[in-house]
Amino acid sequence: GAGVSQSPSNKVTEKGKDVELRCDPISGHTALYWYRQSLGQGLEFLIYFQGNSAPDKSGLPSDRFSAERTGGSVSTLTIQRTQQEDSAVYLCASSPQETGYGYTFGSGTRLTVV
Amino acid sequence: AQSVSQHNHHVILSEAASLELGCNYSYGGTVNLFWYVQYPGQHLQLLLKYFSGDPLVKGIKGFEAEFIKSKFSFNLRKPSVQWSDTAEYFCAVNSNQGGKLIFGQGTELSVKP
Repeated sequence: GAGVSQSPSNKVTEKGKDVELRCDPISGHTALYWYRQSLGQGLEFLIYFQGNSAPDKSGLPSDRFSAERTGGSVSTLTIQRTQQEDSAVYLCASSPQETGYGYTFGSGTRLTVV
Repeated sequence: AQSVSQHNHHVILSEAASLELGCNYSYGGTVNLFWYVQYPGQHLQLLLKYFSGDPLVKGIKGFEAEFIKSKFSFNLRKPSVQWSDTAEYFCAVNSNQGGKLIFGQGTELSVKP
């Protein structure tokens, strides 16, 4: 597609429920990244996929967070047993290669845990 | 540990004032450096980037940044701001080998008309 597409744009969930956030990167981009943006916290790196390599999961804050990327394209970020501190905007970005050149960000999913 | 520090959390300027936003990084090895901007209600956009060569890089909308290796700094500048520059600005770094970007906390810029 023309840009990085994320869905849903907004999600309100009850504490304790699981949520899935989707990212559809730009076609042909081999690298895909997830970040979390909280008020006053900047952008926090979560996870990074590059081609067929093992993902860099070093930013996932707890084992309630997981992500997968199917067929080198669409990615899903799953948060299990959501907590109020998980409320944030979850951003996805893709780039054509892993050098960091040409990151394109999606508009994000605003997650609110009530 | 890799980190990026932006010194100013909120900057308020009048139109036509000059702007300089500070960014320092801590990163072992050769780096790529970026400034991103997020206008109200919009997604992050790349302002400018430094990979190698001339340490003074020019970006969109009249912004520029200077990489000073000895100071581990990559400050963003604009000679004369406009009301439309009101946004949040993020400095970021990654290894020149690629991989994840490490972002600073962001600086909110408010420009008074």
